[in-house]
Amino acid sequence: KNEVEQSPQNLTAQEGEFITINCSYSVGISALHWLQQHPGGGIVSLFMLSSGKKKHGRLIATINIQEKHSSLHITASHPRDSAVYICSGGTSYGKLTFGQGTILTVHP
Amino acid sequence: DSGVTQTPKHLITATGQRVTLRCSPRSGDLSVYWYQQSLDQGLQFLIHYYNGEERAKGNILERFSAQQFPDLHSELNLSSLELGDSALYFCASSTTGRYGYTFGSGTRLTVV
Repeated sequence: KNEVEQSPQNLTAQEGEFITINCSYSVGISALHWLQQHPGGGIVSLFMLSSGKKKHGRLIATINIQEKHSSLHITASHPRDSAVYICSGGTSYGKLTFGQGTILTVHP
Repeated sequence: DSGVTQTPKHLITATGQRVTLRCSPRSGDLSVYWYQQSLDQGLQFLIHYYNGEERAKGNILERFSAQQFPDLHSELNLSSLELGDSALYFCASSTTGRYGYTFGSGTRLTVV
């Protein structure tokens, strides 16, 4: 069993739909990170969470420390949101443990 | 441009050879992290340096080594290369790791 598990592994949506990607972790972490990787390969850090909720534009990330669970929500999805979304748990000394990634495809 | 510069972008080399990947962190960032992304293993943490000192090691093979220089750039050395070392190698930088990471665009290594 992976220390960081994401679901679903693949997600297809129509433009405008509300999307949720889930992440559960079993490792001890100091922060939970959500990353986005586009087909070109580059990785962008979307959020770093240690508690509660963060919002950036149409993206919202939440974390429940007690349940060791985080969610990434995308409101009013758009084809440009199509990417791989990766959840990772970070320790205080900088080690990141990654989930397998969720491949999101948003159709116009 | 994220501010983290990785060179080269692509590298093709033969088995048994040695290569050096270079990373310049974002201005002001003291930490550099190296990651490997392969098709079968996904993203894996290799090593973390902070201000020239090794802070944490992950799944880094003995054939691989890294260092961070006084000007804070870092190099990842891969030796006795095998076909299975073919992967994307990313570096990322941060100030303390508490405020997120900035990733470079990666070096795609192909071992033939």
